[in-house]
Amino acid sequence: DSGVTQTPKHLITATGQRVTLRCSPRSGDLSVYWYQQSLDQGLQFLIQYYNGEERAKGNILERFSAQQFPDLHSELNLSSLELGDSALYFCASSSLRGRDTEAFFGQGTRLTVV
Amino acid sequence: GQSLEQPSEVTAVEGAIVQMNCTYQTSGFYGLSWYQQHDGGAPTFLSYNALDGLEETGRFSSFLSRSDSYGYLLLQELQMKDSASYFCAVNTGGFKTIFGAGTRLFVKA
Repeated sequence: DSGVTQTPKHLITATGQRVTLRCSPRSGDLSVYWYQQSLDQGLQFLIQYYNGEERAKGNILERFSAQQFPDLHSELNLSSLELGDSALYFCASSSLRGRDTEAFFGQGTRLTVV
Repeated sequence: GQSLEQPSEVTAVEGAIVQMNCTYQTSGFYGLSWYQQHDGGAPTFLSYNALDGLEETGRFSSFLSRSDSYGYLLLQELQMKDSASYFCAVNTGGFKTIFGAGTRLFVKA
């Protein structure tokens, strides 16, 4: 158990809809990363927050947004969903102290858009 | 642009040694990490190199050459449970980590 919790584990929704994925980082970790992994693909970096502030952005679509709350949990909002958005969405956290590339991943949310 | 290149798949025999390479081209470099991911599972951290040379952790070793923008992960005494995808990742600074597409390792009996 990495200590990172993601909910829900599975989500099935229709095209055009909006969903919210939730992530609770490891206790004490200030940094949260969101990644998208399509079938048999690598991890695509979406966005990163540190202590409530957006710090880095990757290939995140304008239809997607995220935020990190004062209690450090984070939410990824996906709107106007398309079939191609079906993927595994991972959240990871790290302390950004010392070996800051050691990120701990949650079990992911599998999103299926039908 | 920024990119990490990894071979798409490697097959090896149980008990053997396998090396998985990673070459990178990024605007910044703070260190190279390796992650393992079993099918349907979450990536788990294996190793990190910030400086040139070899880091060893049990059956796993990771090497970095910053001048060549190259690294590799070495797995010894392969076991069936090592069958998984292995991703290299570069911390480019600015809080951003970029992952390669991964190498799928198949271990045969």
